[in-house]
Amino acid sequence: AQSVTQPDIHITVSEGASLELRCNYSYGATPYLFWYVQSPGQGLQLLLKYFSGDTLVQGIKGFEAEFKRSQSSFNLRKPSVHWSDAAEYFCAVGAYSGAGSYQLTFGKGTKLSVIP
Amino acid sequence: DAGVIQSPRHEVTEMGQEVTLRCKPISGHDYLFWYRQTMMRGLELLIYFNNNVPIDDSGMPEDRFSAKMPNASFSTLKIQPSEPRDSAVYFCASTSRDRGETQYFGPGTRLLVL
Repeated sequence: AQSVTQPDIHITVSEGASLELRCNYSYGATPYLFWYVQSPGQGLQLLLKYFSGDTLVQGIKGFEAEFKRSQSSFNLRKPSVHWSDAAEYFCAVGAYSGAGSYQLTFGKGTKLSVIP
Repeated sequence: DAGVIQSPRHEVTEMGQEVTLRCKPISGHDYLFWYRQTMMRGLELLIYFNNNVPIDDSGMPEDRFSAKMPNASFSTLKIQPSEPRDSAVYFCASTSRDRGETQYFGPGTRLLVL
C-alpha cells in the first residue's frame, strides 16, 4: 500500500518570501501525485497533479511541483508567497491495487502561516 | 458547474442519535468518495462508489456507519447510533473516468456529537 509523508507540520514564512513544502511518498511504481489546499472551513481544492511526462508541473495560484523519482519526492514550491496563501496543504498519492480498486492516500498536511 | 454539494454544512447531535450526511456529486461524474478528516488521523477514505455501486468500503470504521448511492446524483452516509468519537469533518468527492484520477471535493460537513 502507498503512503505519504509531509515532514513539516507547520511552516511560517514572510510575505514575498519563497516557499517549499516537502512531500515524500512510498509506492512500488510511479503513482499519481497531487497537491491540494484547504482554507479554514473549506473543502480541498486541487492545486496541481502529476501523472507522467514533464517532471515539473505548474498549478494554479503560481504554485509548481517537481517529481523526483530518485528521491520519491513531490515538493511544492512558490517563488513569492502572498498572505492569501495561508492555508493547509495536503500531498496525496493515488494508486490502483491489484484488485483494480483505486485509492487516494493523503499526507497529514502542512499548515502554512504567512507573516505580513 | 455547481461543484460537489454537501448538506448539512454543520451538524450538532447527541450521542445515540442517527446522523445522515448528504452529497450530490458533479453531474456526469461516475465515481463518488466519502472521506473523514480528524486532527488525529488526517484524511481517511471511508468508501467509494462507481456507477452507484460500492467498490471499496474497507475504510468504514464499523457497522454503525453505512453509505448508499441510490442514483447517480445522490449519496448518503449514515451513522447510527452516533458517538462522540465520530465528531469530524466528512467530505464527499467525485470524479469521472475522463478526469483520470483527479477528485473534486465538496465543502464538507462538520459533525459534532455531544
